[in-house]
Amino acid sequence: NAGVTQTPKFQVLKTGQSMTLQCAQDMNHEYMSWYRQDPGMGLRLIHYSVGAGITDQGEVPNGYNVSRSTTEDFPLRLLSAAPSQTSVYFCASSYSGAGDTQYFGPGTRLTVL
Amino acid sequence: GESVGLHLPTLSVQEGDNSIINCAYSNSASDYFIWYKQESGKGPQFIIDIRSNMDKRQGQRVTVLLNKTVKHLSLQIAATQPGDSAVYFCAENRGFQKLVFGTGTRLLVSP
Repeated sequence: NAGVTQTPKFQVLKTGQSMTLQCAQDMNHEYMSWYRQDPGMGLRLIHYSVGAGITDQGEVPNGYNVSRSTTEDFPLRLLSAAPSQTSVYFCASSYSGAGDTQYFGPGTRLTVL
Repeated sequence: GESVGLHLPTLSVQEGDNSIINCAYSNSASDYFIWYKQESGKGPQFIIDIRSNMDKRQGQRVTVLLNKTVKHLSLQIAATQPGDSAVYFCAENRGFQKLVFGTGTRLLVSP
């Protein structure tokens, strides 16, 4: 199993541009989440999904959209990038929400100029 | 809002020593905590978890202690090795795998 994969590893955007961060998992996990990590900080939850077709907002959802059309994929869309969205983004998945271990991807480092 | 936080930003130890990393939380209703290890350039990696019906849980070289009275938990690493150097986070699982992370403690292990 590849586990949780994220693409790209690095991305530089200009203010106002849009882009999609990709996340995929091959473990047949129902739960998937997106977090951002700012320098010297812990991770903060952006959006999460408890299954295909179901998404909900986390702690810091503004400026981001998600969808979950398949179990495997959970893309994160930045509609109009802002410098405040410069961060490292992590995707995570788990089999269920009832205390199962979350597995994190390697992250995408995004810089918005 | 309710928070989870760590006491020290950096902890320096000698190889072979035992390390203790502390974490405090504010919500007395919190009932499930997880410790993660994050190496440079990587995503967080699960170490050990504990539920509020337990005071102590042990893994391989790691022990987590939970004191619900003072809302404090700690991660103890026995015989710390250079490979243990990383940032350690405590996180509260608030259901549906919604994790609330503390700010992290960087563990530096010197030979």
